[in-house]
Amino acid sequence: EIVLTQSPGTLSLSPGERATLSCRASQTISSNYLAWYQQKPGQAPRLLIYGASSRATDIPDRFRGSGSGTDFTLTISRLEPEDFAVYYCQQYDTSSFGGGTRVEIK
Amino acid sequence: EVQVVESGGGLVQPGGSLRLSCAASGFTFSVYRMSWVRQAPGKGLEWVANIKYDGSEKDYADSVKGRFTISRDNGKSSVYLQMNSLRAEDTAIYYCARVWRGYLDCWGQGTLVTVSS
Repeated sequence: EIVLTQSPGTLSLSPGERATLSCRASQTISSNYLAWYQQKPGQAPRLLIYGASSRATDIPDRFRGSGSGTDFTLTISRLEPEDFAVYYCQQYDTSSFGGGTRVEIK
Repeated sequence: EVQVVESGGGLVQPGGSLRLSCAASGFTFSVYRMSWVRQAPGKGLEWVANIKYDGSEKDYADSVKGRFTISRDNGKSSVYLQMNSLRAEDTAIYYCARVWRGYLDCWGQGTLVTVSS
């Protein structure tokens, strides 16, 4: 079983700042089968990134995914008010989610 | 519009059963794998089960294996989750999601299952 560890648990930032979220896998994820999702309170998750670095449809370019092997990063270049949410990574080689990172307003 | 809509959640006693449904529309349902994912109150996401486009392959999380059964009816563009021997720890919002190349590209709003006496 591939275990995904997300860090930090909570990120406190101001609008306009840069957010860097980490997702580390317990073993190599083949073919970069790594996705990122955003979830706002009371809403379903929404796909942001797939294949570690490809943005999903209608996702703004301030969201960037990077990494390979066991270390992956989601970067939000300049936080907009609507970006404060919880972010989950998922490996879809065998299917498991990380524990999530909450991005909150400082 | 591509969408999936879950139904069938509710309150059930420990040891009881419940069947969740997910109705899809706006896309060719029969060519997509489908998943169920759950989220316990205040917790993260947990993958529950997958079913191949034709129903020939099914995968389950260890936590539900032997108790939950995923199925589909392509004629009705629907996927189901039969949940038996329910436990308190199965209490969660259950999301249905479309699978494309392994990732989940379309999610429903979820249906709440509460297991309590």
